Amino acid sequence: EVQLVETGGGLVQSGGSLRLSCAASGLTANSNYISWVRQTPGKGLEWVSVIYGSGKTYYSDSVTGRFIISRDNSRDTFYLQMNSLRVGDTAIYYCARGTYCGADCYYLDYWGQGTQVTVSS
Amino acid sequence: SYVLTQPPSVSVAPGQTARIPCGGNNIKSKSVHWYQHKPGQAPVLVVYIDTDRPSGIPERFSGSNSGNTATLTISRVEDGDEAVYYCQVWDTYSDQVFGGGTKLTVL
Repeated sequence: EVQLVETGGGLVQSGGSLRLSCAASGLTANSNYISWVRQTPGKGLEWVSVIYGSGKTYYSDSVTGRFIISRDNSRDTFYLQMNSLRVGDTAIYYCARGTYCGADCYYLDYWGQGTQVTVSS
Repeated sequence: SYVLTQPPSVSVAPGQTARIPCGGNNIKSKSVHWYQHKPGQAPVLVVYIDTDRPSGIPERFSGSNSGNTATLTISRVEDGDEAVYYCQVWDTYSDQVFGGGTKLTVL
C-alpha cells in the first residue's frame, strides 16, 4: 500500500526558507505523479506544485519563482523547497499521489497527513 | 484558468440525502473527482471519474456530471459524514483545480 509522510514544516519569518520532504513507500518515485496541495487557515485546498514521472514540473502562479519541487529517486522522496516565504504561505502542506485516468484526467488517491508551515511577519 | 464553484455549506438531517453541487463551464466535458476532508486528517478520495468509488467507500456515496454541474450525493447521511467536501478536475493551464469546498453539517 502507498504511504506518504511529510516532514519539514515549522515556524519561519517572512522572507525565510523551508524545505518540505515527502517520504513515499509502496511506490517508485520516478514513475509517479506527486502534487503538493495546501490548506490555508479558514480556506480550502489549493494546488501548489506537481512533478510528473517524466520529471516535468509545474507551479501555481502564487508560488512560481519562489518554490521548487524535486525528487530523489534513490530515496523515493519528494521535496518542496520554499523560498521568500510570505505570511500568506501559512498553511498545512500535503503531498498526494496522482493517478492518470485518461486524457486530461488525474485524481489524487493517496495523501499524506500534512505538515504545518507558519510564516510570521 | 478553470473555475469550480461550490456552495459554502449544506445541512441535512441524519438518514436524509445530501446533494453537493459543483459548477463549472461545460463541466460535463471533464472528469470530476470528490474528496472528503475532516479536521486534522488527510483528505480522502470518495468519488473519481464522475461516478466511480474507491474500494472501502460506502455505496451511499455517488456522483453524477451533466451540463455545467457535477453533483456528489450522499444517501442515508450519518454523523460521521460531517466534513468539508471538495470537487476537483485536472486543467491544462492550472493542473489540479479545486472547488472552494462545501461544509456538510449533519443536524
